[in-house]
Amino acid sequence: GDSVTQTEGPVTLSEGTSLTVNCSYETKQYPTLFWYVQYPGEGPQLLFKVPKANEKGSSRGFEATYNKEATSFHLQKASVQESDSAVYYCALSWNSGGSNYKLTFGKGTLLTVTP
Amino acid sequence: NAGVIQTPRHKVTGKGQEATLWCEPISGHSAVFWYRQTIVQGLEFLTYFRNQAPIDDSGMPKERFSAQMPNQSHSTLKIQSTQPQDSAVYLCASSLQGALYEQYFGPGTRLTVL
Repeated sequence: GDSVTQTEGPVTLSEGTSLTVNCSYETKQYPTLFWYVQYPGEGPQLLFKVPKANEKGSSRGFEATYNKEATSFHLQKASVQESDSAVYYCALSWNSGGSNYKLTFGKGTLLTVTP
Repeated sequence: NAGVIQTPRHKVTGKGQEATLWCEPISGHSAVFWYRQTIVQGLEFLTYFRNQAPIDDSGMPKERFSAQMPNQSHSTLKIQSTQPQDSAVYLCASSLQGALYEQYFGPGTRLTVL
C-alpha cells in the first residue's frame, strides 16, 4: 500500500534558522503531494499541494519540490519564526477513476521554534 | 464561513457504550471524509462520502464502526460497544466537488473510552 515517511521529531530550532523536514513516499500510482500543518486543538490545515513532478509548491515562506525520481518532497524554510511552531505532515493522494481522494499521511514532525 | 463543525469536541464514554460523532461540512462542499488521529498510528483515513453516497470505507474497522451522511449538511460516525483502543481524535474534513484534493478539516472530536 501507500506510505509516507518523514523526519522524526521533535525538531527544535532558534528563530531565524533554516528548516528542512524530509519526506519520502511509496506508491504505485502517480500521486499529488501535500504538506499540512496542525496547531494545538485544531485540525490539519493545507499548507500547499503539488500535483505534478518537478514542480514546486510554496506558502508562507515554506516550499517543497516534487521529486518523482527520488520519490521525495522535502519541506524547507529559510528563516523560521516562533509562530511556525506546529506539527507538519507530509501526505499523498491519488485518483483512480475519479473515486479515490483519501489522504495518506506521514507520522508528523513537531517543530518548536525558540525566540 | 464557519468552517467544518464537529460536535461534541470532547466525549467520554464507558467501555461498551455507544458513541455518535457529528460533522457539519462547509456549506456547498459535496465531499466528506473521516480520519482518526492517535499518537501511535498518526492520521488514518476511515471513510469518504461524495454527494452523500459512500465511496470508500476501506479504513473503517469492520466491526462496531459505521458512518452515514443522510443529507448535505451533516455526517455521523457511530461507534458501538466502544473499547479503550477506540480512544482517539476523530477528524472530519470536507471539500468541493471540483477540488476533492483540498480537504478542509474540522477541529476534531476527542473520544476517551474509560
